[in-house]
Amino acid sequence: DAGITQSPRHKVTETGTPVTLRCHQTENHRYMYWYRQDPGHGLRLIHYSYGVKDTDKGEVSDGYSVSRSKTEDFLLTLESATSSQTSVYFCAISGQSIEQYFGPGTRLTVT
Amino acid sequence: QQQVKQSPQSLIVQKGGIPIINCAYENTAFDYFPWYQQFPGKGPALLIAIRPDVSEKKEGRFTISFNKSAKQFSLHIMDSQPGDSATYFCAAATGGANNLFFGTGTRLTVIP
Repeated sequence: DAGITQSPRHKVTETGTPVTLRCHQTENHRYMYWYRQDPGHGLRLIHYSYGVKDTDKGEVSDGYSVSRSKTEDFLLTLESATSSQTSVYFCAISGQSIEQYFGPGTRLTVT
Repeated sequence: QQQVKQSPQSLIVQKGGIPIINCAYENTAFDYFPWYQQFPGKGPALLIAIRPDVSEKKEGRFTISFNKSAKQFSLHIMDSQPGDSATYFCAAATGGANNLFFGTGTRLTVIP
């Protein structure tokens, strides 16, 4: 998975609780992304980062925030989890080229 | 609104057959079209990609055909094998941007 790890790999949480997912890369790539994957929707971009402390919104950013304090780490936070945020979350990275490489994913269930 | 429309949703072929997966888009600013392969429990893996300046690209048994005027592109898998059974996603992006727009996926099953 191109030097990308995600943690945790599985999480069950209750509605209203905060959740933070972590993406860690060892490739020193500039760009990092968070996607969610849902049946019937494919993958949709939540937020992305183009450098330390530089982030921007994607297609489905409502209810999510991100932070990137180091090149290698990109955090996705759900401030108050809702059942609609039950999904599989993928981190991706890209360097000089446009090609994106994905991590193994985190399965999040909000009950 | 889905920026990239993918069909079929699922596909079953015999070993050695040539499955074809189709994608269509409307945004003429798209100029990068990758295909990803995903196995259960894994992240999507980049398979092959094409730019609109060519009409076809081959990598091993995988071929992308691109029709710029029709705004369509497709993936062909030659001599398909049971190990090709996976979900395939097409995607599109503009060259200077980082937002990949994905199709909804096609679940391919290759029967031995």
